[in-house]
Amino acid sequence: AQSVTQLGSHVSVSEGALVLLRCNYSSSVPPYLFWYVQYPNQGLQLLLKYTSAATLVKGINGFEAEFKKSETSFHLTKPSAHMSDAAEYFCAVSDADPGNKLTFGGGTRVLVKP
Amino acid sequence: NAGVTQTPKFRILKIGQSMTLQCTQDMNHNYMYWYRQDPGMGLKLIYYSVGAGITDKGEVPNGYNVSRSTTEDFPLRLELAAPSQTSVYFCASSRPGNTEAFFGQGTRLTVV
Repeated sequence: AQSVTQLGSHVSVSEGALVLLRCNYSSSVPPYLFWYVQYPNQGLQLLLKYTSAATLVKGINGFEAEFKKSETSFHLTKPSAHMSDAAEYFCAVSDADPGNKLTFGGGTRVLVKP
Repeated sequence: NAGVTQTPKFRILKIGQSMTLQCTQDMNHNYMYWYRQDPGMGLKLIYYSVGAGITDKGEVPNGYNVSRSTTEDFPLRLELAAPSQTSVYFCASSRPGNTEAFFGQGTRLTVV
């Protein structure tokens, strides 16, 4: 069975500082990997996904993630935090077809301090 | 551009009552899902469907039922509500392949 571990349920960063959210996965096959963001009282929206075309994946809002197979990691970063980045972030791994079922990590809530 | 629409947004149920959470999507996606979100636990898959007439259990199906009579609709039924079903429920849809899932706004359910 697949699993996802996100290290740190809460992260506090200063505005302008680096955002680093950690994600490790276990999968017996090459994974489909995703980062989703959830703003308060909203559904999840896709930040980025790993497509195997490149190990460094760029997403929306200045976020990027690096796939490291040897470390089974897919950490999310943003060089400079903005107040609008305050949200909860979820790493997820997907089964291949049929189904594309997502297995989520526990989530990391990001607080941005002015 | 509606995407995935869930109703209701909020609901309070008494123990033992039943209800149906509605979900509809207008993107002609084959795959649809129901997840529940509990604090610190991420999202857990309840049921999913790969097409009309086909449904299958996810990780936490007990206490729930689903049906998929059309491509657009995927209702989730709670027959005998229990406090353990207090959660936020998300419906999602996607196409086959390495594609993103699109999520509804969620239904916050409290069972008292």
